Amino acid sequence: TQLLEQSPQFLSIQEGENLTVYCNSSSVFSSLQWYRQEPGEGPVLLVTVVTGGEVKKLKRLTFQFGDARKDSSLHITAAQPGDTGLYLCAGGTYDYKLSFGAGTTVTVRA
Amino acid sequence: NAGVTQTPKFQVLKTGQSMTLQCAQDMNHEYMSWYRQDPGMGLRLIHYSVGAGITDQGEVPNGYNVSRSTTEDFPLRLLSAAPSQTSVYFCASSRSQIRGSGPLHFGNGTRLTVT
Repeated sequence: TQLLEQSPQFLSIQEGENLTVYCNSSSVFSSLQWYRQEPGEGPVLLVTVVTGGEVKKLKRLTFQFGDARKDSSLHITAAQPGDTGLYLCAGGTYDYKLSFGAGTTVTVRA
Repeated sequence: NAGVTQTPKFQVLKTGQSMTLQCAQDMNHEYMSWYRQDPGMGLRLIHYSVGAGITDQGEVPNGYNVSRSTTEDFPLRLLSAAPSQTSVYFCASSRSQIRGSGPLHFGNGTRLTVT
């Protein structure tokens, strides 16, 4: 059973469109991280959010941590082909474990 | 900057064979961990270590052993390989994992096939 549910599983959009990826859980997390993974490589951290309601922006990417610290979203504005990849959310707990969602595969067509 | 180095990149084993996946980091990170990645299931934690001499089980530890004799190295041993262990294995490290908020630095993975 996946502790963190990501939706959608796959997303294919045209360059310039916006997209949102969701990460939901019934558990409360001390922190929430988002990673992007390219084929044949390990995931690379995009952002960490630790406070309920926190919003962080990284250029065209906006990350939000839910007020109850059970969910998060990643919004990309004006997507570009370079945004193509597997996006993973990961929830942290106080027992040193980081649990990952199954991921959302994003394809941005030129 | 080497970061996290995993060897080998690819490995094929027969059922019942044993092997060790190597992981080394040069960032003086206290926390190290092993994940396996399977299609549709994301990354699942196998074992982790919060420092040299300390290891603990993650979500899917059965069939795997680890040890942490130095800060730099965290090898993963498959005791008797099974087809269900066919997967991509990632080693990751961070300076700490207090509150689970330490950013993980991943290696590039070992793709293991068990026939």
